[in-house]
Amino acid sequence: AQKVTQAQTEISVVEKEDVTLDCVYETRDTTYYLFWYKQPPSGELVFLIRRNSFDEQNEISGRYSWNFQKSTSSFNFTITASQVVDSAVYFCALYQAEDTGRRALTFGSGTRLQVQP
Amino acid sequence: KAGVTQTPRYLIKTRGQQVTLSCSPISGHRSVSWYQQTPGQGLQFLFEYFSETQRNKGNFPGRFSGRQFSNSRSEMNVSTLELGDSALYLCASSLGGLAGTEAFFGQGTRLTVV
Repeated sequence: AQKVTQAQTEISVVEKEDVTLDCVYETRDTTYYLFWYKQPPSGELVFLIRRNSFDEQNEISGRYSWNFQKSTSSFNFTITASQVVDSAVYFCALYQAEDTGRRALTFGSGTRLQVQP
Repeated sequence: KAGVTQTPRYLIKTRGQQVTLSCSPISGHRSVSWYQQTPGQGLQFLFEYFSETQRNKGNFPGRFSGRQFSNSRSEMNVSTLELGDSALYLCASSLGGLAGTEAFFGQGTRLTVV
């Protein structure tokens, strides 16, 4: 069965600090997709990134970067020089593509990030 | 372009009643998925509709049902409400399903069952 673990329940940092959010996943499929979403207090989930299981290249987008390592089944998310606006709950999610009956996002429990000014 | 619209934003219902939630996807998107978010269980997949057909279903009782109309708008219905159904219900739309495209979420409907 698929599973996503975000062991960090809550992280508090001071503005301008770097912070890494951990995500470990479990799946038997060879084809799958990994996602990160941000949920601000308003409630909607904001898409941040999608990676497929065949592309282990790390990605950088502005202050955000992602480290995908299949060997350790991890897909970690780093925010460089954090800002107060980064305060939110961040979810890592897994999407299995091989079984049409199981195609859905499996979410981790989320990490609440608080960035103090 | 307009985002995903969920109505109503807030709802209070009594145990035993039924409720219908609505989701209007982004124009051109044919896939609509529903998720339930609770403090205890987190985000859980309810079902996905594509071109008016239910394509996937999560592990929820039959009291939870949905449908999709020809304009891709979707409704979710919960009958015989229980206290445990209190949650934020999120709807996501995507072009053709999650694998090849990103999903856009609405702000959700917060349902409180008293």
